[in-house]
Amino acid sequence: SQQGEEDPQALSIQEGENATMNCSYKTSINNLQWYRQNSGRGLVHLILIRSNEREKHSGRLRVTLDTSKKSSSLLITASRAADTASYFCATDSGAGSYQLTFGKGTKLSVIP
Amino acid sequence: DAGITQSPRHKVTETGTPVTLRCHQTENHRYMYWYRQDPGHGLRLIHYSYGVKDTDKGEVSDGYSVSRSKTEDFLLTLESATSSQTSVYFCAISEPVRGETQYFGPGTRLLVL
Repeated sequence: SQQGEEDPQALSIQEGENATMNCSYKTSINNLQWYRQNSGRGLVHLILIRSNEREKHSGRLRVTLDTSKKSSSLLITASRAADTASYFCATDSGAGSYQLTFGKGTKLSVIP
Repeated sequence: DAGITQSPRHKVTETGTPVTLRCHQTENHRYMYWYRQDPGHGLRLIHYSYGVKDTDKGEVSDGYSVSRSKTEDFLLTLESATSSQTSVYFCAISEPVRGETQYFGPGTRLLVL
């Protein structure tokens, strides 16, 4: 079963606007990761946040984690057309096998 | 996708035939994973390997087998392909001592008729 569930399923914004995607999960985690997938390509890692962290930044990305609500959000600021992609959250439960459980993704369209 | 290749990239086969997909890495990462990606399901783990000849099942392993005889190669076999195995298959690698990030290959698009 899916651990992470992204919301919304699809998001369309104008270039320059901020994009926020949310992820909810069901069980305790060791870390939560966000990945991006351009159409027809493999996934690319964006950022990892550990269970004892609340916020993390990387360039135009900001990730928050609320373990009490079992949720995370990914904020992309000042979006660009090149940010058009699907974004997935993935959770590592820390069971020792480094398995990730992926959500179904948010499809982001940035309109120039 | 650097350091990870998948072959073939596209394949069309018929129901009941065996199919083997290959993942090759040049990064010397210990862990390798096979996922399938289907609309509405995201990525689901099929099998993974934590070393040469060390493999384990994932969430959707029925109908699939894997082998890893060398660090760099991880093979996924569909013993008798079914239409429900039409999907895009991704290989990923990770090396936990360097971090928990997984690195993905470009994918194999498989169509079972």
